[in-house]
Amino acid sequence: QVQLVQSGAEVKKPGASVKVSCKASGYTFTSYGISWVRQAPGQGLEWMGWISAYNGNTNYAQKLQGRVTMTTDTSTSTAYMELRSLRSDDTAVYYCARDDGPPTVTKDYWGQGTLVTVSS
Amino acid sequence: QSALTQPASVSGSPGQSITISCTGTSSDVGSYNLVSWYQQHPGKAPKLMIYEGSKRPSGVSNRFSGSKSGNTASLTISGLQAEDEADYYCCSYAGSSTFEMVFGGGTKLTVL
Repeated sequence: QVQLVQSGAEVKKPGASVKVSCKASGYTFTSYGISWVRQAPGQGLEWMGWISAYNGNTNYAQKLQGRVTMTTDTSTSTAYMELRSLRSDDTAVYYCARDDGPPTVTKDYWGQGTLVTVSS
Repeated sequence: QSALTQPASVSGSPGQSITISCTGTSSDVGSYNLVSWYQQHPGKAPKLMIYEGSKRPSGVSNRFSGSKSGNTASLTISGLQAEDEADYYCCSYAGSSTFEMVFGGGTKLTVL
């Protein structure tokens, strides 16, 4: 069965970077992309970006351009999301989701979420 | 890219039907019949309920249905059950000018 297993919770100081991993299993990793979605406490879902596991092409949300990098390691079927220059408003649960990619935007399987807390 | 517009809350009694709207623009919802809908219970990851506008994934009850008219997509839940109480989010492609995806602000469904 399809599973996405994310890395554990992180606590970071403002200005630092965080890298969250998402290990996929149960399907051919390179046949789909991965979207990253975050949810601040008590808030809605925010799409951060998408990466093709086939060729590494990326689309990032404009508001995060320059601070976020998404990568994949096809040898381990793992996707990564790195966010730099962290601020307090980056505190959120970060989810990865299997995603066909634009334009279908169908996120059919989700990871369990990774809480990232940014605090001095 | 602005979020799609959803009502903050809707409510209904068990057995009733409710509809949640998701309003975008001619550049996103209006241009693509590809809106997806997600259900999220507190403390849980979102779950896909509808994709490509009106398709249901395997295992999702046929009480859930999706449609679109103009720049507004809708999720209808018929025969409301207590377990349907959750937050619901729509998602659309924002178009080839940005290659972004955009979520709605979310709707809290309360089953009375």
